[in-house]
Amino acid sequence: DTAVSQTPKYLVTQMGNDKSIKCEQNLGHDTMYWYKQDSKKFLKIMFSYNNKELIINETVPNRFSPKSPDKAHLNLHINSLELGDSAVYFCASSPIPVSEQFFGPGTRLTVL
Amino acid sequence: RKEVEQDPGPFNVPEGATVAFNCTYSNSASQSFFWYRQDCRKEPKLLMSVYSSGNEDGRFTAQLNRASQYISLLIRDSKLSDSATYLCAVSRSQGNLIFGKGTKLSVKP
Repeated sequence: DTAVSQTPKYLVTQMGNDKSIKCEQNLGHDTMYWYKQDSKKFLKIMFSYNNKELIINETVPNRFSPKSPDKAHLNLHINSLELGDSAVYFCASSPIPVSEQFFGPGTRLTVL
Repeated sequence: RKEVEQDPGPFNVPEGATVAFNCTYSNSASQSFFWYRQDCRKEPKLLMSVYSSGNEDGRFTAQLNRASQYISLLIRDSKLSDSATYLCAVSRSQGNLIFGKGTKLSVKP
């Protein structure tokens, strides 16, 4: 009964490839997020969706495209991967935008 | 001034010690405050919310000082298992949380 799940857990790929990460939450929350945590461990918001609508897009290159097919899912597609995209990507959800957030286990992306 | 600032540490303390972390924030309009714990190679996990009146959960006490714009986390009787990175999170007017960079705690036997 995992609350927030992500797949895959690890992703190793070549520069220039396109990849997707999937996220699902079974908490009934209305808001979902994508974060990037780099090697310096800083957890930085990328996107936020509320009821399937994009509400936050934090200066992320347009190679990154989130998609929310329904309130329980928020996927992240990345085009033309670059070395600097290597990081851990966390999905999270919350009941409303400024309430406590619950994180998925993360996807460790390595771009070679 | 950064939106949220934490002392990165590391804080190296012996078992049984009391340790306190502070987190300062710049937006006086922030309404929600949280402490998270992140273990190595794991996701952040909610430790506790921080209420205006302060709150306690076992060995952990969180406080909010709106006048000076900081929140604090006090851990009493530290255990080896408390070793982790502690992140503060503060709400933004855009409708999300912003996280501090975290304070690393290492509890030694």
